[in-house]
Amino acid sequence: SYVLTQPPSVSVAPGQTARITCAGNNIASKSVHWYQQKPGQAPVVVVYDNTARPAGIPERFSGSKYGNTATLTISGVVGGDEAAYYCQVWDSSRDQLFVFGAGTEVTIL
Amino acid sequence: QVQLQESGPGLVKPSQTLSLTCTVSGDSISSGSYYWSWIRQPAGKGLEWIGRIHRTGSTNYNPSLQSRVTISVDTSKNRVSLNLNSVTAADTAMYFCSRDVWGGYYYYMDIWGKGTTVTVSS
Repeated sequence: SYVLTQPPSVSVAPGQTARITCAGNNIASKSVHWYQQKPGQAPVVVVYDNTARPAGIPERFSGSKYGNTATLTISGVVGGDEAAYYCQVWDSSRDQLFVFGAGTEVTIL
Repeated sequence: QVQLQESGPGLVKPSQTLSLTCTVSGDSISSGSYYWSWIRQPAGKGLEWIGRIHRTGSTNYNPSLQSRVTISVDTSKNRVSLNLNSVTAADTAMYFCSRDVWGGYYYYMDIWGKGTTVTVSS
């Protein structure tokens, strides 16, 4: 099955930049989506199709992809950004259509 | 504003069937081209896609759960249902439903319900 690899945790000071990576084989050919999940809440999409931001999501959230790694960047982090972040791809060539990374916990120092 | 609401028993006995419903408000399942997914998350762990259904009844399932899962749609009641049989403690999790959006060559989940907790225990 297809695997997306994320670091378990990232720590960042307020006002700094957090970068969360998501690695997968041939991810360059796939569209990567990112979800934010705060404790006790449902996930919310913060970036879709690698770089697009849904309405209402702050510009501090941006997505990129290079080689076999996609990255979610949070610029000027604030306390409210403390959450788990999951990457996801859709792969119609496989039976498991939706694949999620294991998630990255972002801690604001 | 489209909203999803999961409901169902919070406690299920081992070997029995887990049955949940996702009720859609703010839009009609019949009117769109969306798929509707079920996803689960054990406490403290990551997200696992269970399966999905289209208004036409077309389904896709996670191969790891396919033998135990049935997802159905009732367009007259604007809801989607999940049945998972022969449950064990490993099926204890928060269960979410979501709306899947087609972006031309990919799907992602743009709207999620708040989720419902299911515990499998005797």
